Amino acid sequence: EAGVTQFPSHSVIEKGQTVTLRCDPISGHDNLYWYRRVMGKEIKFLLHFVKESKQDESGMPNNRFLAERTGGTYSTLKVQPAELEDSGVYFCASSQAGARAKNIQYFGAGTRLSVL
Amino acid sequence: GNSVTQMEGPVTLSEEAFLTINCTYTATGYPSLFWYVQYPGEGLQLLLKATKADDKGSNKGFEATYRKETTSFHLEKGSVQVSDSAVYFCALSKTGGGNKLTFGTGTQLKVEL
Repeated sequence: EAGVTQFPSHSVIEKGQTVTLRCDPISGHDNLYWYRRVMGKEIKFLLHFVKESKQDESGMPNNRFLAERTGGTYSTLKVQPAELEDSGVYFCASSQAGARAKNIQYFGAGTRLSVL
Repeated sequence: GNSVTQMEGPVTLSEEAFLTINCTYTATGYPSLFWYVQYPGEGLQLLLKATKADDKGSNKGFEATYRKETTSFHLEKGSVQVSDSAVYFCALSKTGGGNKLTFGTGTQLKVEL
């Protein structure tokens, strides 16, 4: 069974440009989470989808970030326009539905975003 | 709000040494506690978890005990190997809050021969 897949693995863009990150969760996982780790700091929650609905987007830093999960399968996270402080590693995770299953999240390898 | 504090790294040990990585948390109620590990070039993997006080999570020789009285979940291993070199993250989640994870800053472990 394929794990959580993220791409690109690394993106280098200039300030002001747009970048779209993609996450393919494990098949059948209703829950999808985005997290971000800024250099040397803790991994921080960005948002949570249940199927195609945004359950919690309290961690989204500002309106330059837009996440979608059309059809409840893969998800995209767009940053437009990118700023220097957006640099970091963006992780996606997915988990099954159900109270006990939701406790275990499976992570992708992350996308390293460098804004120059 | 919820928070996790873990010891600063990097930690460098010789093979077969004893490992402790400290983790304390702040949260209301009874969170679930986790240790995740990130090996070089890979994503985070769940190492072990505990869901209630006094539970001990264990996996691959690693152990951690959920201590409610000290709000701690320290990671231990009796004899580390070079292959344990990785970044270790302590985390918590609250049921009913969508189970989003709150992480510590991560502790890099390097094990040398």
